[in-house]
Amino acid sequence: EAGVTQSPTHLIKTRGQQATLRCSPISGHTSVYWYQQALGLGLQFLLWYDEGEERNRGNFPPRFSGRQFPNYSSELNVNALELEDSALYLCASSPWAVDSTDTQYFGPGTRLTVL
Amino acid sequence: QKEVEQNSGPLSVPEGAIASLNCTYSDRVSQSFFWYRQYSGKSPELIMSIYSNGDKEDGRFTAQLNKASQYVSLLIRDSQPSDSATYLCAQKGNYGQNFVFGPGTRLSVLP
Repeated sequence: EAGVTQSPTHLIKTRGQQATLRCSPISGHTSVYWYQQALGLGLQFLLWYDEGEERNRGNFPPRFSGRQFPNYSSELNVNALELEDSALYLCASSPWAVDSTDTQYFGPGTRLTVL
Repeated sequence: QKEVEQNSGPLSVPEGAIASLNCTYSDRVSQSFFWYRQYSGKSPELIMSIYSNGDKEDGRFTAQLNKASQYVSLLIRDSQPSDSATYLCAQKGNYGQNFVFGPGTRLSVLP
């Protein structure tokens, strides 16, 4: 079974540009989560999509946005890039579950560098 | 606001010893708890999940959950240098609530 995939692996942008990061969940998983992890810091929750809808959003400015497609893949867009946006962006997926037993599985991440 | 707390470490243990990692959480209705291992520059990988009070063992790993005291722990027996990583504790409530991760504890296993 293929895991969560993310593209690109590395992305280099300059301040003010836009970045688009992509994520494909594990087959059968409907939920996609995005996290930001700056160097040496913990995971900061960005966005949660399920069944095409945004379910929850972390404490990030509106220039961080995303969407989920009908095939459950997702993209994260970061507009007006700032130097402090440089981080590892992680995508995770989980199956839909009525109870709380769903588990998140992470992709390899996209390393975004803003110059 | 839900919070998950962990000692940032580093926690240093000699090779072959038992490493004990602890996590406390604030949300009493949390149902599921997870331990992830993250090597430097890599993504987190799931070690174990635990949903019920008590112990759950998987190989060298044992997760312990005490909902009354609101803590969850991870024991690593016969620690190896390859266990050196950051360990993340996460909690999740019922459907509709997203995961909440702790800041992680850095473990160093000394040869």
